Amino acid sequence: EPEVTQTPSHQVTQMGQEVILRCVPISNHLYFYWYRQILGQKVEFLVSFYNNEISEKSEIFDDQFSVERPDGSNFTLKIRSTKLEDSAMYFCASTREPGEETQYFGPGTRLLVL
Amino acid sequence: SQKIEQNSEALNIQEGKTATLTCNYTNYSPAYLQWYRQDPGRGPVFLLLIRENEKEKRKERLKVTFDTTLKQSLFHITASQPADSATYLCALNGGSQGNLIFGKGTKLSVKP
Repeated sequence: EPEVTQTPSHQVTQMGQEVILRCVPISNHLYFYWYRQILGQKVEFLVSFYNNEISEKSEIFDDQFSVERPDGSNFTLKIRSTKLEDSAMYFCASTREPGEETQYFGPGTRLLVL
Repeated sequence: SQKIEQNSEALNIQEGKTATLTCNYTNYSPAYLQWYRQDPGRGPVFLLLIRENEKEKRKERLKVTFDTTLKQSLFHITASQPADSATYLCALNGGSQGNLIFGKGTKLSVKP
């Protein structure tokens, strides 16, 4: 069964450094999401992406965040200057088309900012 | 803004019993409500979706109900097994582009 993959599984970085989290959505999916989950907290929406542009973003998704689909398969989340509070699990999700309700999540990247 | 409450942080039951998890929301009635399973260190996995005009949905040992008057969904696992032990998340559509609002989850432990 096709699945969303994410790399790396774990990332440790120093505060102020840039990180890029990578996702490969399911191949025929067109709508992509990033969520994050701080340890012990709920899963929170960051951004949705369709047709090479951001569709919607939350207030968490400020200027230090950006997303990109650099080629036909990858979907990336960049954090320009990491802060301690960016430490969390970051999940990528995808759906076949806009408005399809069920989202398919990747296994996540655990980011630790020191 | 929409808020979701999953009343129990943890639920411990004996194998073979029925687990019942509750999800309440506060504002507008969503077009649909979903339940996901999350294992430690893993991403959420979709289980069931129920629409606002549906009262009940079943899938194997799982059953979901949706009461828009009470603003509540109940999630049942019948004949529970230790392998059902996980955190179960309730989620609603949060916007026009399909982003999901999640509850904090209920951690279910099924003891043999």
